[in-house]
Amino acid sequence: GAGVSQSPRYKVAKRGQDVALRCDPISGHVSLFWYQQALGQGPEFLTYFQNEAQLDKSGLPSDRFFAERPEGSVSTLKIQRTQQEDSAVYLCASSRTSGGTYEQYFGPGTRLTVT
Amino acid sequence: AQSVTQLDSHVSVSEGTPVLLRCNYSSSYSPSLFWYVQHPNKGLQLLLKYTSAATLVKGINGFEAEFKKSETSFHLTKPSAHMSDAAEYFCVVSDTGGGNKLTFGTGTQLKVEL
Repeated sequence: GAGVSQSPRYKVAKRGQDVALRCDPISGHVSLFWYQQALGQGPEFLTYFQNEAQLDKSGLPSDRFFAERPEGSVSTLKIQRTQQEDSAVYLCASSRTSGGTYEQYFGPGTRLTVT
Repeated sequence: AQSVTQLDSHVSVSEGTPVLLRCNYSSSYSPSLFWYVQHPNKGLQLLLKYTSAATLVKGINGFEAEFKKSETSFHLTKPSAHMSDAAEYFCVVSDTGGGNKLTFGTGTQLKVEL
């Protein structure tokens, strides 16, 4: 079956531009996560949704970052007024439910480069 | 607070020899621990997970890991490396059984030479 998909795969933005990154989770997956992976580092948690509810946004680095999942399926991560330090790969993951030990399935990521 | 430390940023082995990737964890609660692999230009893939059942966990592609509470370790091993094992490996911890956020280590780049 289809896995987690993300679009675009690559995005180049000029400093100060707004960007929107899309995540399509596996159908029926309740939980959705966003992570940021800087070059040479492990992914770092940004935010977490259970259905349409954003239950944890403690990892968002600033108020320029905003995520939504209005219908409990597709999610969008928006970054306003991009800065060079925002350059990273943004990973989306979904899992069947929260709690327990359900595996998080990761998408291929969106590589954002801010020039 | 939960965290993991991967002790080696790079490991190089010859094909057919054993692989050992080291990981130590810190967790306030009984942790769930995972190893993920990331091949170039591909998504993260789960290799195996520990969830307080058997301490020796077997995963895909011949990998296994042993949870040692006394040493707070969760090292990844494979008896015989294959060229296709060359990738980045991440040790990961979750305090709430994996349903919530994952905390990743900094990764170990595994190189397999002929």
